Amino acid sequence: GIQVEQSPPDLILQEGANSTLRCNFSDSVNNLQWFHQNPWGQLINLFYIPSGTKQNGRLSATTVATERYSLLYISSSQTTDSGVYFCAVAYNNDMRFGAGTRLTVKP
Amino acid sequence: DAGVIQSPRHEVTEMGQEVTLRCKPISGHDYLFWYRQTMMRGLELLIYFNNNVPIDDSGMPEDRFSAKMPNASFSTLKIQPSEPRDSAVYFCASSSTGNYGYTFGSGTRLTVV
Repeated sequence: GIQVEQSPPDLILQEGANSTLRCNFSDSVNNLQWFHQNPWGQLINLFYIPSGTKQNGRLSATTVATERYSLLYISSSQTTDSGVYFCAVAYNNDMRFGAGTRLTVKP
Repeated sequence: DAGVIQSPRHEVTEMGQEVTLRCKPISGHDYLFWYRQTMMRGLELLIYFNNNVPIDDSGMPEDRFSAKMPNASFSTLKIQPSEPRDSAVYFCASSSTGNYGYTFGSGTRLTVV
């Protein structure tokens, strides 16, 4: 099956800093999503982005499908951004999740 | 819409008992997914349905696990008999053709003692 690798595994930032999270995948995909799991365990969909670039407020994402990677940018980080960020990919509908990047934003 | 609704939020049961987890997807969504999350294995896809029909159950760990979707607004995941290694958070998610972004429920934290 498709392999998904996320980096870095852990990231600690000071409030206000910017960050880039990376997702590499091993095969062609037609579905790629980024999720945020907050400290209470809730999984929130951030982006559906099989290709191209999208922005939503302080967050943006870029997927280069031909090179099999996606990037999630967080600008001006806030303490509420803390949690685990997951990348998930699929060819068709069996979405496979990466191990996640654990982000801690300190005040 | 109230989102994807899962029940119960927490379940503690004794080894050997039957456990039934429930999920109500978002109205109009034609895909429903069951995931399990553990520290050791992360998020694993167990099974998914399209238009109430199971499409891929290759992630179901063993015959003790079964899932049904009798109609478009309800699905169950059953474990019989339960074992301590089944302890995990079970998530249900739904999506729709043409808008493939998943919406997850709040999950059911299962503890088997």
